[in-house]
Amino acid sequence: GIQVEQSPPDLILQEGANSTLRCNFSDSVNNLQWFHQNPWGQLINLFYIPSGTKQNGRLSATTVATERYSLLYISSSQTTDSGVYFCAVDRVNDMRFGAGTRLTVKP
Amino acid sequence: DTGVSQDPRHKITKRGQNVTFRCDPISEHNRLYWYRQTLGQGPEFLTYFQNEAQLEKSRLLSDRFSAERPKGSFSTLEIQRTEQGDSAMYLCANGQGPEAFFGQGTRLTVV
Repeated sequence: GIQVEQSPPDLILQEGANSTLRCNFSDSVNNLQWFHQNPWGQLINLFYIPSGTKQNGRLSATTVATERYSLLYISSSQTTDSGVYFCAVDRVNDMRFGAGTRLTVKP
Repeated sequence: DTGVSQDPRHKITKRGQNVTFRCDPISEHNRLYWYRQTLGQGPEFLTYFQNEAQLEKSRLLSDRFSAERPKGSFSTLEIQRTEQGDSAMYLCANGQGPEAFFGQGTRLTVV
């Protein structure tokens, strides 16, 4: 099956710093989504981005499908950005997750 | 609110008992997924439904696990003869257009 690798596994930032999270996938995909898992376990949709670039406030994402990777950018990080960020890719009839990047933003 | 509700939110059961979880998606959206997530790991794919048809099953879905989606609406996930290793968060997702939206999950603890 398709392999999804996220890096780094852990990231600690000072409030106000910028960060880049990466998602590599081993085969072509139909869909790609980024999620943020809050402390209560709820997966919050951030971006649906099978290709191209999108921005939503301080967050933006870029997927280069031909090179099989996606990047999530967080600018001017806030303590509320803490949590685990997941990339999920969808080929046919399934959606596979990476292991996530655990982000800690310190005040 | 994603419109996907799961019940119960928490379940504690004794080893060897059967448990059943329910997922209520937005009914007009035909894709439904089940995942299992253990502490510190990403969600692991269990199974996928398109309407009432179960089109994909992971090898993780042993013969103790069964999922149904009668009439393509709500779905149930049953675990028979639970083991301590089944303790996890069980997540349901509903495909709404090209995106999938998750419920809040059912946390299972097997004692």
